Amino acid sequence: GAGVSQTPSNKVTEKGKYVELRCDPISGHTALYWYRQSLGQGPEFLIYFQGTGAADDSGLPNDRFFAVRPEGSVSTLKIQRTERGDSAVYLCASSPGQGRNNSPLHFGNGTRLTVT
Amino acid sequence: KQEVTQIPAALSVPEGENLVLNCSFTDSAIYNLQWFRQDPGKGLTSLLLIQSSQREQTSGRLNASLDKSSGRSTLYIAASQPGDSATYLCAVRRYNTGKLIFGQGTTLQVKP
Repeated sequence: GAGVSQTPSNKVTEKGKYVELRCDPISGHTALYWYRQSLGQGPEFLIYFQGTGAADDSGLPNDRFFAVRPEGSVSTLKIQRTERGDSAVYLCASSPGQGRNNSPLHFGNGTRLTVT
Repeated sequence: KQEVTQIPAALSVPEGENLVLNCSFTDSAIYNLQWFRQDPGKGLTSLLLIQSSQREQTSGRLNASLDKSSGRSTLYIAASQPGDSATYLCAVRRYNTGKLIFGQGTTLQVKP
């Protein structure tokens, strides 16, 4: 079946602009995760949704970052007033979720964000 | 605060060798540990998941072990092949949280 889909695959934007990154999880997966990965580093946790609600947003670096999942499926990560330090690969993952916490995470291929 | 460390950062071996990748974590209160593979420009593929009550998991030529008390996990790759070349990441999940904490990865190159 279809895996986790992220769009766009690449995004180049100017400093100060607003960007939206989209994630389509595997159908039926209630848990959705956003991670950020810089070159040569492991992924860094940003936010985790269980259904429509953010169960843990402790990884969001500041209030320029916001994520939504209004219908419990597709999620959008929104970054306001982008800075060059926001440049990274943004990864989305999903898993079956509640009550099945020993299921592995399935990752998308990521969105490479470049802020010039 | 949970910290995950992977050693070595990079490894180059000739084809056919057996090898071990190491992962250590500072807080033993984990729910599970996962090993992932990442190819250049791609997302992560889950290889093995070890629950906190388990000692090891095997899949094909891969074997992962977990020693919670010492805060260590190893990924053993038997008879390595050039197609095994990738970055290998371990990640731990704490109890009562959804998030995984990742190590920085070990980049493996298997030379033909």
